[in-house]
Amino acid sequence: EPEVTQTPSHQVTQMGQEVILRCVPISNHLYFYWYRQILGQKVEFLVSFYNNEISEKSEIFDDQFSVERPDGSNFTLKIRSTKLEDSAMYFCASSEFGFHNEQFFGPGTRLTVL
Amino acid sequence: AQSVTQPDIHITVSEGASLELRCNYSYGATPYLFWYVQSPGQGLQLLLKYFSGDTLVQGIKGFEAEFKRSQSSFNLRKPSVHWSDAAEYFCAVGATENTDKLIFGTGTRLQVFP
Repeated sequence: EPEVTQTPSHQVTQMGQEVILRCVPISNHLYFYWYRQILGQKVEFLVSFYNNEISEKSEIFDDQFSVERPDGSNFTLKIRSTKLEDSAMYFCASSEFGFHNEQFFGPGTRLTVL
Repeated sequence: AQSVTQPDIHITVSEGASLELRCNYSYGATPYLFWYVQSPGQGLQLLLKYFSGDTLVQGIKGFEAEFKRSQSSFNLRKPSVHWSDAAEYFCAVGATENTDKLIFGTGTRLQVFP
């Protein structure tokens, strides 16, 4: 069964460093998303991406964040200068049709900023 | 603004017992409602969803949920819990017709005793 994969499973970084979280969505999916969950808090929407551009972003997704689909398979989230409060589990998701059709989630990347 | 509340952070049941996980939402119109499950080390897996029509929705793994507009609830049920059901359960709402982001509750951790 096709699945969304994410690498790495755990990333530890120093405050101020850049990190890139990688995701491989399901191959025929066209809509891509990033969510995050700070420990003990809700899963929060960060950004949606379709047709090689951001279709929506939350207020969390400021200038420190960017997303890219550098090739036909990967979908990346970059944080330019990490802060302590960026420590969270980051989930990638993809959907074939978008708009409330099922979003398939990856296992997440746990980011720890020291 | 739309929101989702899962009042129970942690629930413990015996194997074979019935289960009900509560979810309340805040949204003016008819929402798109979802239940996801996350097993350790896994991504979020969709259990079931409600868009319209029959208010009792059947999902995978023997789960069902009932949409009650008068109570703004979408509770998840299972008549007989199996040890493999131990996981974290998330209720989510699709925000509006112009976006496909999901708004999640804080989750309920289910523990199953033999």
